[in-house]
Amino acid sequence: DQQVKQNSPSLSVQEGRISILNCDYTNSMFDYFLWYKKYPAEGPTFLISISSIKDKNEDGRFTVFLNKSAKHLSLHIVPSQPGDSAVYFCAALNTDKLIFGTGTRLQVFP
Amino acid sequence: DTGVSQNPRHKITKRGQNVTFRCDPISEHNRLYWYRQTLGQGPEFLTYFQNEAQLEKSRLLSDRFSAERPKGSFSTLEIQRTEQGDSAMYLCASSLTSEANGYTFGSGTRLTVV
Repeated sequence: DQQVKQNSPSLSVQEGRISILNCDYTNSMFDYFLWYKKYPAEGPTFLISISSIKDKNEDGRFTVFLNKSAKHLSLHIVPSQPGDSAVYFCAALNTDKLIFGTGTRLQVFP
Repeated sequence: DTGVSQNPRHKITKRGQNVTFRCDPISEHNRLYWYRQTLGQGPEFLTYFQNEAQLEKSRLLSDRFSAERPKGSFSTLEIQRTEQGDSAMYLCASSLTSEANGYTFGSGTRLTVV
């Protein structure tokens, strides 16, 4: 049973435009969410997080939005850059361990 | 500190053989986690340690798997009698107890069972 879902396996965006990556979760008890970025042959690296007491968190070009009623979060990257091309994982923190989605591969083209 | 180090980076083994992976966490981190990632999936939790104590094990961790963290420093993950279904990327991560905004992951060990 997939508790964290990323329904778009891939996304292609032109450089300079906005990238929007989506994530849904099923467990309303989850109260902390994170986004990770992964390049091939490397481990995931932490990007940005959000607590359930907030509905938005921003860090430079990256903004995460949380809609608790819809059990949905999204990551916005603006403007997108070719170096952002990677696999992005959404994760929920559940009693000291992370539950990951299946990832979305983002490709930013010139 | 160079981050979380995992060795080997790649391992090819024949079905039925035993394999052992090593993880060296960031030195001041007292928590250490093992995850497994198969193709097309996100990382899945296997087990974690706080110092030398193994606090939780996933049901994914069958009795062929064992993890240790002697002295609360590096950790090893051993798989006995490997099966083709064990082929995956094994990721190690470390964190401080109070750190909720993400672990630091190593680059992983890719296991191929032939």
